[in-house]
Amino acid sequence: DVKVTQSSRYLVKRTGEKVFLECVQDMDHENMFWYRQDPGLGLRLIYFSYDVKMKEKGDIPEGYSVSREKKERFSLILESASTNQTSMYLCASSLLTRELFFGEGSRLTVL
Amino acid sequence: DQQVKQNSPSLSVQEGRISILNCDYTNSMFDYFLWYKKYPAEGPTFLISISSIKDKNEDGRFTVFLNKSAKHLSLHIVPSQPGDSAVYFCAASAYSGAGSYQLTFGKGTKLSVIP
Repeated sequence: DVKVTQSSRYLVKRTGEKVFLECVQDMDHENMFWYRQDPGLGLRLIYFSYDVKMKEKGDIPEGYSVSREKKERFSLILESASTNQTSMYLCASSLLTRELFFGEGSRLTVL
Repeated sequence: DQQVKQNSPSLSVQEGRISILNCDYTNSMFDYFLWYKKYPAEGPTFLISISSIKDKNEDGRFTVFLNKSAKHLSLHIVPSQPGDSAVYFCAASAYSGAGSYQLTFGKGTKLSVIP
C-alpha cells in the first residue's frame, strides 16, 4: 500500500511565525502535491513537483514556498504565517497516473 | 472560474436508498474523472474513476456515469449505508506536460445517510 505521511496532524502557530509542513511518501512516486482544503472551497492546489528540485506553482501559491531535495520528501513552507492560512493542508503523491494518494492532513491554526 | 462544479453542497438520503451525487465540468481537455471520499480529519481516499472513452464504470455499490456531450458525471451509491456519510469530491484530469497530470477538484458534496 502507498503510504503518504505528514509529519504533524495538528499545529498551532502565531502570526508571523515560519511554519514547515513535511510530507514523505514511500512508493518512489515522481509527483508530489500540496493542497489546502477549506469549507465551501474544496481542494485547492498550492504547489506541485514532478521531480527532485523541481517545483511548479498551483492555483494559490501566494504566501507559500516548497522544497523537494529528495524524491520522497516534499515540504511546504509558510515564511510568515497569517490567520488566513488557517486550514487543512493535504499532501499527495502519484506515479505517472491520474490517481493521487493523499496523506492524512495537517490541521494548521494561526492565531 | 470553476472548471469542476458540484452544485449541491449537501445531500441527505435514507439508509438503503440510492444516493446520486452530481458533477459538471467546463474544460473539454479533461479526459479522466475521479471521485474521492473524505471523512473528517482524514485525507481523501480514491473511490472510483472513469475514462472519457467510457460512459459507465461500476465497482460494487458504486457506479459512475459520464455524459460527455453534457459535460456531466454522476456517482450512484446503491444501497446507501451510514458508513457512506462523508464529503465526496469530484475531480477531473488533464495532461499538464512533463509526462504528468493535474487534478482539478470540485468543492465537494457532503452526503449524510440517515439510519
